[in-house]
Amino acid sequence: DAGVIQSPRHEVTEMGQEVTLRCKPISGHNSLFWYRQTMMRGLELLIYFNNNVPIDDSGMPEDRFSAKMPNASFSTLKIQPSEPRDSAVYFCASQAAGSGELFFGEGSRLTVL
Amino acid sequence: AQRVTQPEKLLSVFKGAPVELKCNYSYSGSPELFWYVQYSRQRLQLLLRHISRESIKGFTADLNKGETSFHLKKPFAQEEDSAMYYCALSSTGGFKTIFGAGTRLFVKA
Repeated sequence: DAGVIQSPRHEVTEMGQEVTLRCKPISGHNSLFWYRQTMMRGLELLIYFNNNVPIDDSGMPEDRFSAKMPNASFSTLKIQPSEPRDSAVYFCASQAAGSGELFFGEGSRLTVL
Repeated sequence: AQRVTQPEKLLSVFKGAPVELKCNYSYSGSPELFWYVQYSRQRLQLLLRHISRESIKGFTADLNKGETSFHLKKPFAQEEDSAMYYCALSSTGGFKTIFGAGTRLFVKA
């Protein structure tokens, strides 16, 4: 298993543009998490899904952020419109039922100019 | 409210010295505590969890419910321990996992 796969690995865009980050969880895992990593705030939980259903999106910063999980093998995190303060590394992680352990992707480094 | 606090952003020690990375938490129920590590150019990965009560790469961590702490310790630091360390908390059997701000450990030769 290749583990959690995220794309793109790096994204540079201009303020106001739409950004879509993608994640493929480990097959068989039923929970998926999106985190944002910054120097100042560390790892912040944005949203998580269980069995493709969003359970808690209280960490989503504002309406510019949205996330979907149309099926068990794919999730997206969208930012529209993007702003320079959104620059960060975005991590996706998946978890098997009852496991507790998170398996992380390599992250998507977003730079908004 | 759930909260994980790692008071040190950066910790620098000499090789062979003891190291302790501090973690305090706030949680009203029965938490499960974890330490995750991110080595340079590698994925964030689980180092250890309190329920397993085992030593990984010489690291141990004891859950102190009275002090609401889960400090990570190693008696003799090695250069390869240099990494970013995150303390994390979830509810027992639950899904939501929150992380502290992280501590970067530098082990100097």
